Amino acid sequence: EAQVTQNPRYLITVTGKKLTVTCSQNMNHEYMSWYRQDPGLGLRQIYYSMNVEVTDKGDVPEGYKVSRKEKRNFPLILESPSPNQTSLYFCASKGRLNTDTQYFGPGTRLTVL
Amino acid sequence: GQQVMQIPQYQHVQEGEDFTTYCNSSTTLSNIQWYKQRPGGHPVFLIQLVKSGEVKKQKRLTFQFGEAKKNSSLHITATQTTDVGTYFCAGPQKLVFGQGTRLTINP
Repeated sequence: EAQVTQNPRYLITVTGKKLTVTCSQNMNHEYMSWYRQDPGLGLRQIYYSMNVEVTDKGDVPEGYKVSRKEKRNFPLILESPSPNQTSLYFCASKGRLNTDTQYFGPGTRLTVL
Repeated sequence: GQQVMQIPQYQHVQEGEDFTTYCNSSTTLSNIQWYKQRPGGHPVFLIQLVKSGEVKKQKRLTFQFGEAKKNSSLHITATQTTDVGTYFCAGPQKLVFGQGTRLTINP
């Protein structure tokens, strides 16, 4: 089954404690991205990757890092989380940038205390 | 950069009423996609529009792409409780999303 998986689905942590949210897709997609969703602000792109070893900033990259060492994985790293990073995070992938359906993971709800 | 604005932000209707959400871009779009996110769920692709003036239908949903390819709309005829959720439009390139329209329905 074609899917995007994220782990963990829920996480409560404290300020400053490094964390990684994993994302994996099994569709051999080149394009992957991370979004955060906050009430009233919709989906805002954090980072995206157009292929292995190619990543670029989205609209709200501050406080986040990503890596794309393999095509299927695109982890999101918060080196020093802060409360304003409390949000719902979605990973997504698509085959080609300007066409094709984008598939979303189930989401990770992060709370930073 | 590319910006996509969506209105209204919220819409509450009685079941059976129609619903429309509008998406406007600051630049010409090569295509536009629409997604639906059910409460507690993740966005799910609905449709992609590519041609100027294009109109596509999916049962009670009608999608339009403007002649100038700068705006789009989603119209739902005779809403049902299963239509509840947030509807997003997204432009191409980095897939910039509109803020979404949250639809709630009074049964």
